Amino acid sequence: DAKTTQPPSMDCAEGRAANLPCNHSTISGNEYVYWYRQIHSQGPQYIIHGLKNNETNEMASLIITEDRKSSTLILPHATLRDTAVYYCIVKGSARQLTFGSGTQLTVLP
Amino acid sequence: GAVVSQHPSRVICKSGTSVKIECRSLDFQATTMFWYRQFPKKSLMLMATSNEGSKATYEQGVEKDKFLINHASLTLSTLTVTSAHPEDSSFYICSASEPGHLGNEQFFGPGTRLTVL
Repeated sequence: DAKTTQPPSMDCAEGRAANLPCNHSTISGNEYVYWYRQIHSQGPQYIIHGLKNNETNEMASLIITEDRKSSTLILPHATLRDTAVYYCIVKGSARQLTFGSGTQLTVLP
Repeated sequence: GAVVSQHPSRVICKSGTSVKIECRSLDFQATTMFWYRQFPKKSLMLMATSNEGSKATYEQGVEKDKFLINHASLTLSTLTVTSAHPEDSSFYICSASEPGHLGNEQFFGPGTRLTVL
């Protein structure tokens, strides 16, 4: 599975949109982009995933560039409860997920 | 989304004892479950893949005789840490996904905090 690169930390003001970038320049054609988050001392929580089209659900939006080499997770109106480590993961045929170091998002009041 | 539970959520044991952690998929059947370990301020590291009805597949560096995995049914996998030592203290997390097409999301349990004294 392709590796990903994320900034180690980001801050966001409460109520504003949080835009979390992820680079995956070696992604293959059949690999999906997944986003999970982990609130302190809890198991990871699935957020969203996509292949090449932009995706939106009740939690977030996923924007994937046309060349698929990068993506952005958007939390439209961040709250204090969105403070967590956000993991961008590229997964192909392997069933397991390989976690990188993620981005620590801190939502500030 | 699907729900995965773990029991216990927290356990403290003495060095040399064994500890069993259960992972259950509550509303779906999982032919495959995964066990991860997470040390403080570190990312999740895959330990093993648990396959229903067959032997688990362990990642390099994970001792299969120390971390016993049993996946006896489509909704239950257990991880037993045998002869636990203080260095085994960690956050253990399981996950499961419904079998099906590529692109299925994986659901995680809430984790088990193991402290070995």
